[in-house]
Formats: sequence, C-alpha cells, structure tokens
Amino acid sequence: GAVVSQHPSRVICKSGTSVKIECRSLDFQATTMFWYRQFPKQSLMLMATSNEGSKATYEQGVEKDKFLINHASLTLSTLTVTSAHPEDSSFYICSATKSGTGGYNEQFFGPGTRLTVL
Amino acid sequence: ILNVEQSPQSLHVQEGDSTNFTCSFPSSNFYALHWYRWETAKSPEALFVMTLNGDEKKKGRISATLNTKEGYSYLYIKGSQPEDSATYLCAFSLTSGTYKYIFGTGTRLKVLA
Repeated sequence: GAVVSQHPSRVICKSGTSVKIECRSLDFQATTMFWYRQFPKQSLMLMATSNEGSKATYEQGVEKDKFLINHASLTLSTLTVTSAHPEDSSFYICSATKSGTGGYNEQFFGPGTRLTVL
Repeated sequence: ILNVEQSPQSLHVQEGDSTNFTCSFPSSNFYALHWYRWETAKSPEALFVMTLNGDEKKKGRISATLNTKEGYSYLYIKGSQPEDSATYLCAFSLTSGTYKYIFGTGTRLKVLA
C-alpha cells in the first residue's frame, strides 16, 4: 500500500496562536511531500513542495514565514501555521511521492486537516 | 496560468445509471493526467494515471480515456452504485521533474438508491 496519515483531522484555535499539522507516510519512504490548501468550492492549490533534509519550495503568493514547513525525515513533514488569523481557516491536505516508483509522479494523499481560526 | 476544468460540478444519478464526466487540461507540456476518487473524511484514492494519447484504463465499472492533443479526459462509471458517491478529481502534471499537480475543482457524484 501507500498510506499517508495526517494529524490532527480538525483543529480550532484562537487568532494569534500557531498550529502544527503533521503528515506521515506510514508504509513507505517519501522523497517528496506536498502541502495543499483548499478553500470552499475551489480546487486543491499547491502551497509548497518539500524534500527531506532541504528547504521547502513555496508557490508564488504563499508566505514562507507564515507557513513553516519542516521535512526532517523520509516519513514526516510538518506544516506550522504561525500566528493564525481567521483568513487562514481552510482545509489543508498533504501528499507524498514514493521513492523508486520511476514513473508518473503519483502522489498519495492524507485525509486532510480542517483548520478553523476564531 | 494553467487551468484544469471539470464538468459538471455535481450530478445526481439513479442507481444503475451510467454516467461520465470531463476533465479539460492544457494540451502543451503534458506529462500525465491523474484521476482520484475522494470520499468525505477519507484520503483521495488514486484511480488512474494516464500518460499516452488514446490511453484507455479500466478498474471494475470505472474507466477513463485520454486525448492529449485536444486536452481532455473522460471518466465513465457503468451501472452506478451508491458506494460510487464521491468527488472525482483530476490532476494534470507537467513535463517530468517538477512533480507538481494542477487540480480541477472536482465533480461531486451522488448515486441515489
């Protein structure tokens, strides 16, 4: 299989606090992990690409100081939303690619995290 | 700006009906087209990876076709069942090396018993 877990599934926090979301590949080593955000009735939008042991590459318009990504091991990447504000409320979902698939960049997704900032 | 469009946005069908939806994508710099099924509160599940013009893939009652020259893919479900109810996403990836996906907004399918 290729199972990706994400924790927490749902979080509610106060404005100004920081929230950390974890993404783990449970049964494979993930060379690359991706973080997406989805606003209501919109598509999944890529926020950043993260490779183990190196700095994440952020998409245009995504603030790197706001959305801190750490990919410390081949099975774990974390996204920290710093000083969260209500406009950061969204659905965040991660994905991972397997090393050695040699193929078509298939991504395996976690179940997502619903963040609500009050 | 690269855009992937899916239609319809949502549809309801009766159990036993067959249905299909469309994914339109840029025809240049094409690398692969991915279809996912996404049930509420679960991870998107990979259905197909399609790479060659004219590709046809099948998995049980679900099949997909690909036309890279005109930039579209169709997903077909034969004899829809209530368990087919989900959002079906397509994602387009550019020439290899970037690994990035560009997603459509999805088609929400509800199969009525």
